[in-house]
Amino acid sequence: DGGITQSPKYLFRKEGQNVTLSCEQNLNHDAMYWYRQDPGQGLRLIYYSQIVNDFQKGDIAEGYSVSREKKESFPLTVTSAQKNPTAFYLCASSLDRGAYEQYFGPGTRLTVT
Amino acid sequence: QKEVEQDPGPLSVPEGAIVSLNCTYSNSAFQYFMWYRQYSRKGPELLMYTYSSGNKEDGRFTAQVDKSSKYISLFIRDSQPSDSATYLCAMLRSDYGQNFVFGPGTRLSVLP
Repeated sequence: DGGITQSPKYLFRKEGQNVTLSCEQNLNHDAMYWYRQDPGQGLRLIYYSQIVNDFQKGDIAEGYSVSREKKESFPLTVTSAQKNPTAFYLCASSLDRGAYEQYFGPGTRLTVT
Repeated sequence: QKEVEQDPGPLSVPEGAIVSLNCTYSNSAFQYFMWYRQYSRKGPELLMYTYSSGNKEDGRFTAQVDKSSKYISLFIRDSQPSDSATYLCAMLRSDYGQNFVFGPGTRLSVLP
């Protein structure tokens, strides 16, 4: 089965701790994305990557970091610098950067207290 | 003004009703228009896409784009309880490498 997996589904952390969210895809897609979803707001782009070892900041990159060492993996680290990290995080991929269809993972709900 | 506006709902309709979901946008450069469906606590999935203006039909779903009014719609005929979800519109400019812009989503409940 091809698709995108995200783990864990729920994550709880104390304020001040860094936390890494996992995203893996076996669709052989070049482009991968991280979005944040808050109630009443559209998906907001955190980071995206068009190819291995390359990534770009999205609209709300402050307090986040990513890596793209393998084509199938695009982990997101939420650092202690992120002022309001509690949210639903969605990873997505597309064939390439210009593709109109993005495939989404099931999401990770992060709660920081 | 937000680039994409969408009534968040919630919208409740009886089973079998025709549902109309809408988005307005401000950027005339958008060329691709998508509708994603998101069930509770799940990732969105692409429902339909339209390039430029016009209508597109797929089963019970019809997507319409009116670029002159900067207005897009998704119609659901014979709505079913399984259609209960949040519907997100999304837009993409024609030039390669640009970011998607998503609306906040409309939460729909179809009551049996």
